[in-house]
Amino acid sequence: KQEVTQIPAALSVPEGENLVLNCSFTDSAIYNLQWFRQDPGKGLTSLLLIQSSQREQTSGRLNASLDKSSGRSTLYIAASQPGDSATYLCAVSPGLIFGQGTTLQVKP
Amino acid sequence: NAGVTQTPKFQVLKTGQSMTLQCAQDMNHEYMSWYRQDPGMGLRLIHYSVGAGITDQGEVPNGYNVSRSTTEDFPLRLLSAAPSQTSVYFCASSYGGGGGYGYTFGSGTRLTVV
Repeated sequence: KQEVTQIPAALSVPEGENLVLNCSFTDSAIYNLQWFRQDPGKGLTSLLLIQSSQREQTSGRLNASLDKSSGRSTLYIAASQPGDSATYLCAVSPGLIFGQGTTLQVKP
Repeated sequence: NAGVTQTPKFQVLKTGQSMTLQCAQDMNHEYMSWYRQDPGMGLRLIHYSVGAGITDQGEVPNGYNVSRSTTEDFPLRLLSAAPSQTSVYFCASSYGGGGGYGYTFGSGTRLTVV
């Protein structure tokens, strides 16, 4: 059974810092991995999708990497801003199995 | 705007009542699914569908029914609501059944069963 773990569960950083969120999964037979953002009381917004054949994807200040063999993905956020404060979720397919999320707070 | 639309946004039910959570998408996605999100439990898959007329159970299907008569709609039915079904429910869709094209989520339905 696929299990997805995200570390840390919560993170607080000052504005401007570069930071890394971690995601690990137990079964390397995945189709893809997707990173989402969830604001309090809101739905999920897709940030990045990495296919199983890819190593990384970039969108603006976000960069996600995937190492299927080791069962790991990282989400790198450059020059963090208060508007980045949210919960970040990673999920793997097939089936879209979610981790518990990392709640990020960026302080002005 | 194209996307996944869920209704209602909020609902309070009494124990034993029934209701249907609506989900519609206008992206011609084949794959649709329902999740519930609970504190400390993350998002868990309830039911999913790989196309019109085809549905299957996910991780936590008990107490919920689904049907898929059209590509666009995937309603979730609670036949006899229980307090344990208090949760936030999300509907999602994807172009491919394996999620190869990524998933789009609705804004959620917050359900309270008293």
